Amino acid sequence: KAGVTQTPRYLIKTRGQQVTLSCSPISGHRSVSWYQQTPGQGLQFLFEYFSETQRNKGNFPGRFSGRQFSNSRSEMNVSTLELGDSALYLCASRAGGNDGYTFGSGTRLTVV
Amino acid sequence: AQSVAQPEDQVNVAEGNPLTVKCTYSVSGNPYLFWYVQYPNRGLQFLLKYITGDNLVKGSYGFEAEFNKSQTSFHLKKPSALVSDSALYFCAVNGNTDKLIFGTGTRLQVFP
Repeated sequence: KAGVTQTPRYLIKTRGQQVTLSCSPISGHRSVSWYQQTPGQGLQFLFEYFSETQRNKGNFPGRFSGRQFSNSRSEMNVSTLELGDSALYLCASRAGGNDGYTFGSGTRLTVV
Repeated sequence: AQSVAQPEDQVNVAEGNPLTVKCTYSVSGNPYLFWYVQYPNRGLQFLLKYITGDNLVKGSYGFEAEFNKSQTSFHLKKPSALVSDSALYFCAVNGNTDKLIFGTGTRLQVFP
């Protein structure tokens, strides 16, 4: 059974650009969450989607957005990139309820 | 508000010795508690979870954790450490929302 797949693995962008990251959850998992990991702030929750609906949102500016498609794949978008957006972005999926979250390997975004 | 504390930035232990990585939590209602491990340039790997039931939870790679409600703790333990256990360990809680709140992480260093 394939795990959570995140693409691309690495990305370098320039300040002011926008970026789209992709996450394919484990087959059958309908919940997808996104987290940002930085050395200074640690792991912070961005948002969670279930059946194409955003159920939860973390304390990030509106430049951070996401969506989920009918096949449960999810994308997150960051517009007007800032240097501080450089981070490892992790996607996690779960079947629901009390199941543990399965994380992907992440997308390492570097903003220069 | 939900929170997780991992009081030790780093834990050093000799191979073959028992290890403990500490975690305390604060959450309203019944906590769902998780431990994850992260190896360099990788995502998070699920180790174990506590939802309800027996206070001693057994997980992957010989790890276990003990839920203590009165002390609001969920310490990670392993009877005999391996050098390959060296990694970054995260405790997380999921209270009455669907988002995981992570601790700041504890770096485990196992020396030969």
